[in-house]
Order: sequence, then structure tokens, then C-alpha cells
Amino acid sequence: EDQVTQSPEALRLQEGESSSLNCSYTVSGLRGLFWYRQDPGKGPEFLFTLYSAGEEKEKERLKATLTKKESFLHITAPKPEDSATYLCAVRDSYGQNFVFGPGTRLSVLP
Amino acid sequence: EAGVAQSPRYKIIEKRQSVAFWCNPISGHATLYWYQQILGQGPKLLIQFQNNGVVDDSQLPKDRFSAERLKGVDSTLKIQPAKLEDSAVYLCASSSQGSTEAFFGQGTRLTVV
Repeated sequence: EDQVTQSPEALRLQEGESSSLNCSYTVSGLRGLFWYRQDPGKGPEFLFTLYSAGEEKEKERLKATLTKKESFLHITAPKPEDSATYLCAVRDSYGQNFVFGPGTRLSVLP
Repeated sequence: EAGVAQSPRYKIIEKRQSVAFWCNPISGHATLYWYQQILGQGPKLLIQFQNNGVVDDSQLPKDRFSAERLKGVDSTLKIQPAKLEDSAVYLCASSSQGSTEAFFGQGTRLTVV
């Protein structure tokens, strides 16, 4: 059974203080690892898809990386508007649905 | 391009009542998902459609939940009768044929009292 865990559960940063969020996964044949951002009261917003170990994707202050067992979402010089819950999900070769982790709640203080 | 549309945004019902949620996916997206997200948790798949056929409903509590996607476009998720533990946000998502990414609607927040 596919499993996804995320750490930390919550993270508070000062504006400009870079950090990383972790997503650890167990999956039978990774078909994709996905990062989503979710603001309060809204649906998840797609950020990145990673397909194979060693792959990296960047978008503004965010950079996602992937190894065979985990993915990191690096946030460089975050701003208060980066405050949100960041969700990680995986899709395996057999199933077609997305298995989500519990998310990391990020707060960036001005 | 319009996103995934869901209605209503909020619903409050008493336990044992019934409720229905509606979803209109992104135009042309063959795959439609319904997820349940309990406060503080990640979304959990309830049912997945490919066009108007069910691909995966293994986690749908079939004694009280039902879903349909007539004509392979819009979808409706129903709960009857509702329980207190059904209080959650119900998210609809869609993806296009051959694509790995899914795009989500705003969700419907259900409160059962």
C-alpha cells in the first residue's frame, strides 16, 4: 500500500529565513510525485510534478527535489504570502489515484 | 481556461439528513476524482471516474455515499444519511487523458450537526 508522510507538521519561519519541507514515500513503482499548495478554505493548487530520482523543478522561491525515498521542497527567502499548507502526493504504476500526505503548515512571519 | 467548479461552497445539515454536492470538471478532462479532506489531514480519495465509468471506489462508504457521472461530464456526490464524522471538505479534481497532474476545485465544506 502506498504511503506518504510529511515533516514537520508545522513550520514557522521569519521572512527571508530559508528552509526545507520533507516528504517521505513508499510506493510500488513511482509514476509521479506531486507538490500542491493549499490556502485556507481553498482547494489544493498544483505546484510541481517529479518523475525520477535526481529530478529538480523550480518556481519562484520554491525548488522541489526527488530521491528514491523522499522529496524536499526548498523555500528560499520566503515571504509572508508563501504561508500555506504544502501537500505532497504520489501516484504509482498500478493505481491511478493520488495518495496524499497530511501536509506541512508553513507560516512566514514578517 | 475555466477551472473545476463545485457547489455549494458550504453546507450545514443535521445528522441523518441527506446532502448532494455537484462538480463540473475542466472542459475535456476525462478523469474526475472526489476526495474527502478532514480538518488537518490530506485529501483521501473517495471515487475516481474515467469518462462515465468508475475506476476506483474502494474507499467509498457505499452504505451511505453514492456518486454518479452521467454523460461523462458533471458529477454528483451524495451522502444519505449523514453522520457527524462526515464533516469535512469534499474536493473534486479532474485531469486530462494521459496527464499525471490533477486540478482541484475550491471544495464544499460540509458540517454535520
